[in-house]
Amino acid sequence: GNSVTQMEGPVTLSEEAFLTINCTYTATGYPSLFWYVQYPGEGLQLLLKATKADDKGSNKGFEATYRKETTSFHLEKGSVQVSDSAVYFCALRAPDSWGKLQFGAGTQVVVTP
Amino acid sequence: NAGVTQTPKFRILKIGQSMTLQCTQDMNHNYMYWYRQDPGMGLKLIYYSVGAGITDKGEVPNGYNVSRSTTEDFPLRLELAAPSQTSVYFCASKVPGQWDQPQHFGDGTRLSIL
Repeated sequence: GNSVTQMEGPVTLSEEAFLTINCTYTATGYPSLFWYVQYPGEGLQLLLKATKADDKGSNKGFEATYRKETTSFHLEKGSVQVSDSAVYFCALRAPDSWGKLQFGAGTQVVVTP
Repeated sequence: NAGVTQTPKFRILKIGQSMTLQCTQDMNHNYMYWYRQDPGMGLKLIYYSVGAGITDKGEVPNGYNVSRSTTEDFPLRLELAAPSQTSVYFCASKVPGQWDQPQHFGDGTRLSIL
């Protein structure tokens, strides 16, 4: 079956540091890939997405590239802020799956001043 | 611009009690979903619906029931609450057919069963 594997957290960084969160997936066919962010006490918000190989999703300084050859969708940001402290979820949506999402376990990111 | 609204936000239940978690969306989305989120875990799909009158099981449906009588509402029912159902529950909705469009999530219901 389909699955998503994320690096474990928490990841603790200083402000302005470079952030990478690794995400790899297992799926048949060509899934769509997503990063969602969850701020404390809130629901999930879509951060970025990519729907085919070599697509790059970007939003709010975050980027992720859909790598079919390595089945990866790593999240990066060049200079994090305290306000980026949150839990980040990688997710995939298989074709013909009625839009259902398969989530990774989530990675908590803590950015300190 | 309400989006997906979940009620209640918090609830404490005793073992064996029942309750309904409410979810409503005002975006006219046909597809709706219920997930649970356990500490340190990703979200697991409980049930989903692709339109009024149509529901199906997800990954972890045991102990839950759903109904979908209208496009807007997708309530989740716990009949006999068990401690293992302590979790945060999220409802989500999506436009059907547009495969590149994301799901929209509510703010969640935090449920504790003691």
